[in-house]
Amino acid sequence: DQQVKQNSPSLSVQEGRISILNCDYTNSMFDYFLWYKKYPAEGPTFLISISSIKDKNEDGRFTVFLNKSAKHLSLHIVPSQPGDSAVYFCAASGGTGGFKTIFGAGTRLFVKA
Amino acid sequence: DTGVSQDPRHKITKRGQNVTFRCDPISEHNRLYWYRQTLGQGPEFLTYFQNEAQLEKSRLLSDRFSAERPKGSFSTLEIQRTEQGDSAMYLCASSLSRTYNEQFFGPGTRLTVL
Repeated sequence: DQQVKQNSPSLSVQEGRISILNCDYTNSMFDYFLWYKKYPAEGPTFLISISSIKDKNEDGRFTVFLNKSAKHLSLHIVPSQPGDSAVYFCAASGGTGGFKTIFGAGTRLFVKA
Repeated sequence: DTGVSQDPRHKITKRGQNVTFRCDPISEHNRLYWYRQTLGQGPEFLTYFQNEAQLEKSRLLSDRFSAERPKGSFSTLEIQRTEQGDSAMYLCASSLSRTYNEQFFGPGTRLTVL
């Protein structure tokens, strides 16, 4: 039962352009959503999060949008840089699951110089 | 370095052997999580602790798996009678209870079961 889905395994973007990574979830009880970035041979690192009471959170070049009615969130990176090339995981927690965190399968982002 | 550390980084074992992994969280973090990650997948929740109490355990965690956090500091994950299907990256993460679930991950322990 995949409660958090990232349907695009990979995405390629030109440097300077916008990267948009998408994530869908099925459990309407989730109330906190996070994005993590992972480089090879390292553990995931926290990037940005959003509470279900908000629909947008911005941190520098990174913005997360939440559409609760569609059970969809997205991560926008503007402008994209070659150093952003990594695997991005969407994650969700809350509701009856408490602090248990469910991760998507990840999207590999390639930013071309 | 005050990050999350895991030991060993790599472990190769034969099927049927027992293995134990250690995780040292960030010192002031009272929550500690264990995940398993296989190729092409995201981290899969195994269990988590608040201080020394194990608050949740995934139903995917068979009785061959056990985790402890005896003094609310470091944690160990033991796998008994390893199987080839246990081959994966085992990740540990920690967080503060006042920050809603922003977890800091260690580098992981890669287990290969021959």
